[in-house]
Amino acid sequence: GEDVEQSLFLSVREGDSSVINCTYTDSSSTYLYWYKQEPGAGLQLLTYIFSNMDMKQDQRLTVLLNKKDKHLSLRIADTQTGDSAIYFCAESDRTGANNLFFGTGTRLTVIP
Amino acid sequence: ETGVTQTPRHLVMGMTNKKSLKCEQHLGHNAMYWYKQSAKKPLELMFVYSLEERVENNSVPSRFSPECPNSSHLFLHLHTLQPEDSALYLCASSQEGTGGNPDTQYFGPGTRLTVL
Repeated sequence: GEDVEQSLFLSVREGDSSVINCTYTDSSSTYLYWYKQEPGAGLQLLTYIFSNMDMKQDQRLTVLLNKKDKHLSLRIADTQTGDSAIYFCAESDRTGANNLFFGTGTRLTVIP
Repeated sequence: ETGVTQTPRHLVMGMTNKKSLKCEQHLGHNAMYWYKQSAKKPLELMFVYSLEERVENNSVPSRFSPECPNSSHLFLHLHTLQPEDSALYLCASSQEGTGGNPDTQYFGPGTRLTVL
C-alpha cells in the first residue's frame, strides 16, 4: 500500500526558515497536502499541490514537489513561535480525497 | 475554524462501558470520515460515509460501530473497548465531486479517548 514518511522532529530558531520533508511511494498520487495540528486541536489544511506542479507559494509557505523522487517539502519562512505544531504530509491518488494517506507527522519546535 | 465540531472533547471510559462520539459538520459537505490518531503512527482511516452510505471500513474491530443518520452528523458508538483503543479520534468532512479541485478534508478538533 501507499507509504508516506516524515522525520518526527525538527527544531528551528525564531526568524529562521523551516523545511519539513516528506517522501511517498505512490506514483499515482494526484494531490499532496500539508496539514498542521496544534496542541489539542484537529488538523488544519495549510496548502495542497497538484502533482503536475513543481512549486506553490502562499505567503510564508512554499511547497516544492519533486515527482521523480517522490519528495515533497514545506518551507516556512521567518518561522514564528506560533508555527510550533505537528505538520502532516498526506497524499491522495485521485481527485476525491476518500483515500487520503498521512505520514506520521513532524513536530516542529520553534525556539525563541 | 468551527466547521466541524466533535463532542465530547475528552472521554475516559472503562472496558465494559458503552459510549458514543459525535461529530457535526456545518460546511454542507456530503462525505464524512472517522480517523484514529495514535502516538507516533500515521492517521488511520476507520470509516468513510459518502452521501450517508458507508463506503469504506478498513478492517476496524466490531467494537467500533459508526452511524451516519444524515449528511451533517456522524457518530462512533463504542463498546467493550480495550486499553489499546486509547487515542485521539478525529472526524473530517469533505465535499465530493467538486470537479477538478481536490475534495479537501476538513477536520474537527478530535475526541481524546482513554480506556481504563
